Amino acid sequence: GDQVEQSPSALSLHEGTGSALRCNFTTTMRAVQWFQQNSRGSLINLFYLASGTKENGRLKSTFNSKESYSTLHIRDAQLEDSGTYFCAAEANSGGSNAKLTFGKGTKLSVKS
Amino acid sequence: GPKVLQIPSHQIIDMGQMVTLNCDPVSNHLYFYWYKQILGQQMEFLVNFYNGKVMEKSKLFKDQFSVERPDGSYFTLKIQPTALEDSAVYFCASSFYAEQFFGPGTRLTVL
Repeated sequence: GDQVEQSPSALSLHEGTGSALRCNFTTTMRAVQWFQQNSRGSLINLFYLASGTKENGRLKSTFNSKESYSTLHIRDAQLEDSGTYFCAAEANSGGSNAKLTFGKGTKLSVKS
Repeated sequence: GPKVLQIPSHQIIDMGQMVTLNCDPVSNHLYFYWYKQILGQQMEFLVNFYNGKVMEKSKLFKDQFSVERPDGSYFTLKIQPTALEDSAVYFCASSFYAEQFFGPGTRLTVL
């Protein structure tokens, strides 16, 4: 089965509201990255976490390796936040340039 | 943030032809990767590359695929010969150590 289970698959928010995206891991991961894929298909780096919580503007992400999950919180959503959000994780057994295993993505639509 | 460039952005070729996808990684990065994304699906790892060698490859990295980075120039993915199922967007990534940065992708269409 999938090593990275991402939910929800789709999310609709009104401007100014917020929500959380989650990734559960079925194997021990040592780090996680979160990306936004915009309408042109480009992947924008949002966070890299080996543990703990990071915050950047209206976004906050947490990675708990022991409990095998990561979350991405979006608050005060804006129209430009629309896109597909992916989590991607490095397995603990990998070397220093371990591959990323991606979730299936969350398609976020922000409406006015 | 750090920029990875990919050339071309689109490529259309006939099945059986050879294609080379080019990646210009971030200048001081040491590790290089290729990923494949079929339309509407998740990104899947193909291969990673360090110090002139393939370190790990997935089952998607068929015998028809090869990678190289001659003399610190472009990091390339060559497919020879191409098959219909190779149609996808191919993303290059690079990292100095762990955090990977992605290029904008090359959309490959095999007819």
